[in-house]
Amino acid sequence: KAGVTQTPRYLIKTRGQQVTLSCSPISGHRSVSWYQQTPGQGLQFLFEYFSETQRNKGNFPGRFSGRQFSNSRSEMNVSTLELGDSALYLCASSLGTGPQHFGDGTRLSIL
Amino acid sequence: GENVEQHPSTLSVQEGDSAVIKCTYSDSASNYFPWYKQELGKGPQLIIDIRSNVGEKKDQRIAVTLNKTAKHFSLHITETQPEDSAVYFCAASINSGAGSYQLTFGKGTKLSVIP
Repeated sequence: KAGVTQTPRYLIKTRGQQVTLSCSPISGHRSVSWYQQTPGQGLQFLFEYFSETQRNKGNFPGRFSGRQFSNSRSEMNVSTLELGDSALYLCASSLGTGPQHFGDGTRLSIL
Repeated sequence: GENVEQHPSTLSVQEGDSAVIKCTYSDSASNYFPWYKQELGKGPQLIIDIRSNVGEKKDQRIAVTLNKTAKHFSLHITETQPEDSAVYFCAASINSGAGSYQLTFGKGTKLSVIP
């Protein structure tokens, strides 16, 4: 069974730009969660989607948004990028209330 | 909101010895506690989890214990091997009521197993 796939693996952007990250969950999983990982703040929850609806949201500004498609694939968008947005963005999928399984992340660097 | 404290931040053990990582959580409503292992360049990998209705769970060399009264849980790795070297994260989750688990993570423990 294929795991969680995140694309791209690496991304370099400049301040003020916007970026879209993609996540394909494990087949059959309907829940997709996004996390930001930085050396200073660790792993922080961004939001969770289930059946195309945002079910939970963390404490991040409105520049961070997401969506989920009917095939459970999810995208995360960050607008007006800031230097502090440099991080590893991780996606995790689950059946709904079960264990979350992570992808290998997208490393976003802001210049 | 939930707060998870994890100790120690670094841990070095000799190959074959045991390693113990401890976490405490703040919200008594938390009812699911997974542990993840993260290797360099990889995402966190679920290694074991425990729910609040269970006090202990074991899977080969790995075990997790939970003390709901004290609000702490621990990861125990026995007979450590060099491939156990990684960063380990504990997490706690609050069931939002809509059925989802929002994970709150500890800051991580970097485990080094010395051959």
